[in-house]
Amino acid sequence: DARVTQTPRHKVTEMGQEVTMRCQPILGHNTVFWYRQTMMQGLELLAYFRNRAPLDDSGMPKDRFSAEMPDATLATLKIQPSEPRDSAVYFCASGFLGGDYGYTFGSGTRLTVV
Amino acid sequence: AQSVTQPDIHITVSEGASLELRCNYSYGATPYLFWYVQSPGQGLQLLLKYFSGDTLVQGIKGFEAEFKRSQSSFNLRKPSVHWSDAAEYFCAVVAISNFGNEKLTFGTGTRLTIIP
Repeated sequence: DARVTQTPRHKVTEMGQEVTMRCQPILGHNTVFWYRQTMMQGLELLAYFRNRAPLDDSGMPKDRFSAEMPDATLATLKIQPSEPRDSAVYFCASGFLGGDYGYTFGSGTRLTVV
Repeated sequence: AQSVTQPDIHITVSEGASLELRCNYSYGATPYLFWYVQSPGQGLQLLLKYFSGDTLVQGIKGFEAEFKRSQSSFNLRKPSVHWSDAAEYFCAVVAISNFGNEKLTFGTGTRLTIIP
């Protein structure tokens, strides 16, 4: 089965450090979402891309977060500088607009900022 | 703006009993609706989806859901649950803007516990 690959699976970092999370969407999918999941807030949409162009990043704290798709096989989410409140699980999902709108999620990156 | 409400935070059912998880959505146009399941420490797995056509959709693992436009609901059902169904279940809706942009919005989830 095709899958969305996220790396790293776990990341522990100190406050103030830069964190980069990577996502490899399914080949042929042209839509990529980034979500953050916490116990308190549930699943929050941070950003989404179609055909590598950012269409909506209104859910993302602009001062420290950035999301990019340098090519069709890679999406990145960066936090600089990281803060303890950024501790969460970050999920990437990909899909195909015009297809069946089913979205496939990666296994997530569990980030802990100490 | 679209929204999804899952009114039950936590549901407990006995193994072998039937299950219904509620989902209500708010969206002006015809919605695209999904149910996802998340086991502890795992990502989200798509159970089923509704785009159009038959309002009763079948999914994986023996789940089904029924779209009721008049009630703005998309409830998930299973006739007989198994202990392995214990997980968190999320309902979601995709809204398509006038520009063709899609936004996938999730409900807050329902945690399902199975007792022997």
